[in-house]
Amino acid sequence: DTGVSQNPRHKITKRGQNVTFRCDPISEHNRLYWYRQTLGQGPEFLTYFQNEAQLEKSRLLSDRFSAERPKGSFSTLEIQRTEQGDSAMYLCASSLTDVYYGYTFGSGTRLTVV
Amino acid sequence: DAKTTQPPSMDCAEGRAANLPCNHSTISGNEYVYWYRQIHSQGPQYIIHGLKNNETNEMASLIITEDRKSSTLILPHATLRDTAVYYCIVRAPGTSYNQGGKLIFGQGTELSVKP
Repeated sequence: DTGVSQNPRHKITKRGQNVTFRCDPISEHNRLYWYRQTLGQGPEFLTYFQNEAQLEKSRLLSDRFSAERPKGSFSTLEIQRTEQGDSAMYLCASSLTDVYYGYTFGSGTRLTVV
Repeated sequence: DAKTTQPPSMDCAEGRAANLPCNHSTISGNEYVYWYRQIHSQGPQYIIHGLKNNETNEMASLIITEDRKSSTLILPHATLRDTAVYYCIVRAPGTSYNQGGKLIFGQGTELSVKP
């Protein structure tokens, strides 16, 4: 297992287009988290899944954002009608239910909306 | 979850110990102290965590004061590759089904290790 994998690493899109990112967690991890990070700031929590159930969503996750985790394995984060303010690094992390030992983060997908 | 306060930046000479402080005066009894670091253009990396006892692993040592209101992360022999933003986070573990145990990141401390 090579850790948490995120694709693509970089995405440039025009304003108004839809984009989708994928995250493949560590296989035995049943929790999966999405974060967003803008330049100079710490990561901000967006949402998390326990298996296939989405259990919490941040108020940062507007109606244009949707996340899924079918079958409790990989997850996708879709942004509809992108805006320039959506430009950020989108980070995925996974963990076991017992999170005493911390998360494992992926390297992120950097989105640029032009 | 309790909030933390960290200095925005610190410098350290290569080969010397880097001591990164964190204040968490409102920490609750069941909240752990976690440290992560983020090297430029990478995702955050878990370093260490503790409840009330000092902890050490292959990466670092964590010293938590007796009243648990502050802690220090120690990198015993800093190298240039330790240059990163270091985040101190306190939270309760999310072990039940509907407790996410999500991490709330602050601004962190930008550590620059210089030759």
